[in-house]
Parts: sequence; C-alpha cells; structure tokens
Amino acid sequence: DAKTTQPNSMESNEEEPVHLPCNHSTISGTDYIHWYRQLPSQGPEYVIHGLTSNVNNRMASLAIAEDRKSSTLILHRATLRDAAVYYCILRPTGTASKLTFGTGTRLQVTL
Amino acid sequence: DVKVTQSSRYLVKRTGEKVFLECVQDMDHENMFWYRQDPGLGLRLIYFSYDVKMKEKGDIPEGYSVSREKKERFSLILESASTNQTSMYLCASSPRVSWRNTIYFGEGSWLTVV
Repeated sequence: DAKTTQPNSMESNEEEPVHLPCNHSTISGTDYIHWYRQLPSQGPEYVIHGLTSNVNNRMASLAIAEDRKSSTLILHRATLRDAAVYYCILRPTGTASKLTFGTGTRLQVTL
Repeated sequence: DVKVTQSSRYLVKRTGEKVFLECVQDMDHENMFWYRQDPGLGLRLIYFSYDVKMKEKGDIPEGYSVSREKKERFSLILESASTNQTSMYLCASSPRVSWRNTIYFGEGSWLTVV
C-alpha cells in the first residue's frame, strides 16, 4: 500500500490559516487522497478528499501537487475547535480497499 | 444523521476472558472495519469486511477474530484477552464504492485488560 508521511505536530494561532502537509511519493494514478481529523476522545471524521484537482468545502481546502506526490490541507482560519490529529490517507480504487492510517499530525491552536 | 454505534464505550476485562466488541451501522454500507489506536502508533487495521460473512485480515489480526452475520453488524472478538490488547478500538463503515466516499467512524471503545 502507498504510504503517507506527515509531520508529527504543528502549531497555529487562532484566526490564522494553517497549512498541513502530506507526502505520498509512491501514490498510484488511481489513489484518492483523503483527509480525516480526530478530535479528543472521538472517532475520526471526514474532512475532504480529492484525486487531481484542488478541492474546497465548508471545512477546508485541499491543494494537490501537479505530480500528486504531495498535498496540503488548508484550514483558512483556525479556531480552537480545529485542534485535533489530522490524517492524510490514500484510498486505492477497488471495492475491498484496506484503508491504512498513519500517525497523523497533531495540530495545536492557541489564542 | 448517519451513525456507527459501538456497543460499549468503556470495558474492563480480565486476562483470559473472551471479549466481544459490537458495532452496528445504519447506512446499509457494505464495508466495515475494526481498528485499534494506541499512543504514538496511530490507527492500525485489525480486520475488515466487504460483505456479509466475508472478512479480510488487516495489519495486526493476531489475537483477534471477527464475525459479520448481518450487513449492519460487525463484531470483533478477543478469544482470550491479554494485557497487551488494552487499547481504544474503533469501528468504521463505508459504501462499497469506497475510494470516493466517506468513511464513518464510531466513537470508540476503551478496553482495559487487567
């Protein structure tokens, strides 16, 4: 399975933009890039996903490099409620995809 | 609102006991997953199932088994619990055409084996 690499932790000030990077140099052409986040004492929740083009939704934006070997999750204005562990994962096509998570990036947001 | 429900939030079991962790989803999803989460190790896949009575081993299946007799229910079984199985267990589900779709997680079950 293709692997992702993320920094262990990042810090941000409230109301500022946050860029969370993810490297996936062995991504295959049909892997979708998904981002999830896990708030304290909860299960992970979906944030955003994409294949080749940049994507926006109400929670965040996803910027995908042209060669698809890296991507960046962008939180436009971090709030204290965005403090969580963020996971970047690759979802291969196929009905029975294994779905492997890494250790994610712990985002701290301060006032 | 979509829901993945894990039957027990907190459990304490003794070494050697048989433990059942139950998970139910109400979204008619084909795929279901069991993970464990430990500090510093992230989420690790134990087993997954892509259909009733079908199962596939994940990355750490040793010491665990699963059962999927009905589409909505996926059970994780610890045949003989050991202290190194103390962990947080997460159940998840997703539609069959999964790579484009969201995965939904339960809130987790904290298991302590003493």
